[in-house]
Amino acid sequence: DVVMTQSPLSLPVTLGQPASISCRSSQSLVHSDGNTYLNWFQQRPGQSPRRLIYQVSNRDSGVPDRFSGSGSGTDFTLRFSKVEAEDVGVYYCLQGTQWPWTFGQGTKVEIK
Amino acid sequence: EAQLLESGGGLVQPGGSLRLSCAASGFTFSSSAMSWVRQAPGKGLEWVSVIYRGGSSPLYADSVKGRFIMSTDSSKNTLYLQMNSLRGEDTAIYYCVKGKTAWGQGTLVTVSS
Repeated sequence: DVVMTQSPLSLPVTLGQPASISCRSSQSLVHSDGNTYLNWFQQRPGQSPRRLIYQVSNRDSGVPDRFSGSGSGTDFTLRFSKVEAEDVGVYYCLQGTQWPWTFGQGTKVEIK
Repeated sequence: EAQLLESGGGLVQPGGSLRLSCAASGFTFSSSAMSWVRQAPGKGLEWVSVIYRGGSSPLYADSVKGRFIMSTDSSKNTLYLQMNSLRGEDTAIYYCVKGKTAWGQGTLVTVSS
């Protein structure tokens, strides 16, 4: 199975400041079709997960542009340009290139 | 807008069985990939199973393979998860997911004596 490793696991942030989360995979996430199926999800307290980013850098509909994704191969990053209070929650990367699809451990974002 | 409503969770003894249902609306159920994802209390996410449309067989995580069976009824727009030989480590909130974008609110399964 592809192992997804996130860092940090806890991210205290200051409102209005930038922040980032790293996600590394144990093998390349480039699919045989040429696409890279790396997703980012947000789970706010008490809510179901919500996808923010698909195929490394594409924002889902309705996702604020302060969220951005980047990376390639085995190394990926989710960036917040300016953290807002509603961004508190746990963020997960998910690889959908190879079954079984696997999540990272999650990064808990909290306000300092 | 896609809506997913899970039901069927509850308390079951180890070794027992339970069937979860997911009622879908707001999209073409018969042509959508559907999944079950679970989350143990206070823990991370695990993608349990997925079914692509067009007659393909479901895929299962190794942790549930041979014990869980995923199925669909397109006449009822409903997704099912038959869970057999349940273990304590199956205790989790089970989410029904359309593609990767639409998630239900989840149903809690507790396996305990």
